[in-house]
Amino acid sequence: KQEVTQIPAALSVPEGENLVLNCSFTDSAIYNLQWFRQDPGKGLTSLLLIQSSQREQTSGRLNASLDKSSGRSTLYIAASQPGDSATYLCAAVYGGATNKLIFGTGTLLAVQP
Amino acid sequence: GAVVSQHPSWVICKSGTSVKIECRSLDFQATTMFWYRQFPKQSLMLMATSNEGSKATYEQGVEKDKFLINHASLTLSTLTVTSAHPEDSSFYICSATGQVNQPQHFGDGTRLSIL
Repeated sequence: KQEVTQIPAALSVPEGENLVLNCSFTDSAIYNLQWFRQDPGKGLTSLLLIQSSQREQTSGRLNASLDKSSGRSTLYIAASQPGDSATYLCAAVYGGATNKLIFGTGTLLAVQP
Repeated sequence: GAVVSQHPSWVICKSGTSVKIECRSLDFQATTMFWYRQFPKQSLMLMATSNEGSKATYEQGVEKDKFLINHASLTLSTLTVTSAHPEDSSFYICSATGQVNQPQHFGDGTRLSIL
């Protein structure tokens, strides 16, 4: 069964800290992996997409890595800000005609000013 | 680009009512649309995948007669929750993609509350 889990479930850090969010997936035959941000009561904002052939992607203060062999991805947030407070979801994409996303359980991040 | 609009954003209705939620791709042709459900403090669960002009494919455990999905055009898919009951209250999110294995673009979600 294809499952995606995220650790920790919740995280609170003071402003300015660097932090790492973890994502693990059981089926390593992914097509790509995406990280999303979700604000309360809102839809999803795509942050980073890593193709299966890539090892990392960067966008501003965000860096996502992918290790297919170990079934893991990490999202690194540098110099965290209160505006980064949100739920972060990773999703493993399995290819073929279905283009199916399997979402992780999410990490609720609170950055304290 | 790649904007997906979902309507309504919030609906409250009485038990037994049928509710229709629309998902539109505004600036691209969506060959495939997806419908997800999210319970409070939980992740998104895929309900069904719909391809334009064909019947939706439902995930295991999702009642197709309860959640009717129509994808009649390349820019519009609808989800109708038939005879809704309080246990159907949830956050429903759609996504759309123009090509196989291309990123999905998400709507802002619809919060459904059944009294």
